[in-house]
Amino acid sequence: NAGVTQTPKFRILKIGQSMTLQCAQDMNHNYMYWYRQDPGMGLKLIYYSVGAGITDKGEVPNGYNVSRSTTEDFPLRLELAAPSQTSVYFCASTPLGMETQYFGPGTRLLVL
Amino acid sequence: KQEVTQIPAALSVPEGENLVLNCSFTDSAIYNLQWFRQDPGKGLTSLLLIQSSQREQTSGRLNASLDKSSGRSTLYIAASQPGDSATYLCAVRPPGNMLTFGGGTRLMVKP
Repeated sequence: NAGVTQTPKFRILKIGQSMTLQCAQDMNHNYMYWYRQDPGMGLKLIYYSVGAGITDKGEVPNGYNVSRSTTEDFPLRLELAAPSQTSVYFCASTPLGMETQYFGPGTRLLVL
Repeated sequence: KQEVTQIPAALSVPEGENLVLNCSFTDSAIYNLQWFRQDPGKGLTSLLLIQSSQREQTSGRLNASLDKSSGRSTLYIAASQPGDSATYLCAVRPPGNMLTFGGGTRLMVKP
C-alpha cells in the first residue's frame, strides 16, 4: 500500500490565485482529515470527512473547501489565496472503529 | 475550549540520557491522548495512544503516562539515541470531537 499520498510537495501561489491540494489513500479508510501546521505550532483541523459524500468543518475552515466523492480521495480547495494561508498542509486518514491517524508527507504552500 | 501545551519547546541531550517530555491540557474530559513523532519535512507517525481509562502505555523504549485529573501526560524515552531526534507532539481527543494538538517539543540527541 502507498498509504496516504499528497500532491504537490511544494507550491508557490500569488495572492488571489486558486489551487487544489490533492490527497489520496489506498487503505479503504472511512475517515479523512485536512490539517494545517504553522511554524512552531501544532496542527489545526481544517475539514474532515466520515465517508464519501459527507464532510464537516473543523477548527479553521475559512478560505477552504473540500469534497469527498470517493472513499480514496479528499481534495482541499483554496479559492482566493491569502498570505495567511502560507503553511504546511497535512492530510490524514483513519479506519472505521480505530483511533490511529495515518498522515501523508504534507504539502508546503507559500502565498506571496 | 481545549488547549494543549508542551514544555519545553526544544530540548538537546547527550546520547544515552533518559528524558521526559511534558504535555498538559486544560479540559480533563478527554476520550484519549496520543503521542506523535514528526521528522523534518515529513508527516506525523503515531507512537502511543492512551485511552482515558488507562494510566500508561509502553512501546519499546517509550513509555507514556496519563493523569487525566491533573490534565497531564508525559512521554519517557529511555536511553536516548541520535535516531530519536525529531519533534514530538501530543494530541487529545475530547468525546465526539477531533484531535487538538500541542505545539510540540523539538528533541535533539547529540552523539
